Amino acid sequence: GAVVSQHPSWVICKSGTSVKIECRSLDFQATTMFWYRQFPKQSLMLMATSNEGSKATYEQGVEKDKFLINHASLTLSTLTVTSAHPEDSSFYICSAGRAGQLQETQYFGPGTRLLVL
Amino acid sequence: AQTVTQSQPEMSVQEAETVTLSCTYDTSESNYYLFWYKQPPSRQMILVIRQEAYKQQNATENRFSVNFQKAAKSFSLKISDSQLGDTAMYFCAYTGTASKLTFGTGTRLQVTL
Repeated sequence: GAVVSQHPSWVICKSGTSVKIECRSLDFQATTMFWYRQFPKQSLMLMATSNEGSKATYEQGVEKDKFLINHASLTLSTLTVTSAHPEDSSFYICSAGRAGQLQETQYFGPGTRLLVL
Repeated sequence: AQTVTQSQPEMSVQEAETVTLSCTYDTSESNYYLFWYKQPPSRQMILVIRQEAYKQQNATENRFSVNFQKAAKSFSLKISDSQLGDTAMYFCAYTGTASKLTFGTGTRLQVTL
């Protein structure tokens, strides 16, 4: 099966700083990646769709200036939480799929736990 | 907009027994996929089973099978011979032509001795 990695797996930062999370497809090319946010004991909420070489598409209610997404290559998408605050503390998960197979199969990264102090 | 509903927040089953998790969805699309994902304490999302809407035959994967009722927009997951390792959060999910996954609220399954 396809493998998606995320880095870092855990990050603690001070309020006001920015944090970058990387999502990589290790053995396939992903023209599209998705970013989700999950609060404790809750479901996954889609934040944005990341398309290689173009601007990300954000879901309603997600601040695009707060959550910067860059998809510069077919294997890497990054999510930057700018000026992080305690309410941004959450579990962030990415997923990716092969071009033309996105609807039928998406592969998930292991997630990144963000704690903002 | 598509919605996915899981009405059972928590369920418990004894080891070796069978349990069924419920899921209903709402959509106006004709081409879509339905999924069951498992999220153990590690929080890694694991695909359990997938169903293509245009296929009438219910999908099966070893001890896992689904009951797909397209007209009723129902998609339940049956786990047979439950094992301790099946303890996890289970999410029902939908994806349509936009390829975006919509998740239900999840069912926490506890397998007991």
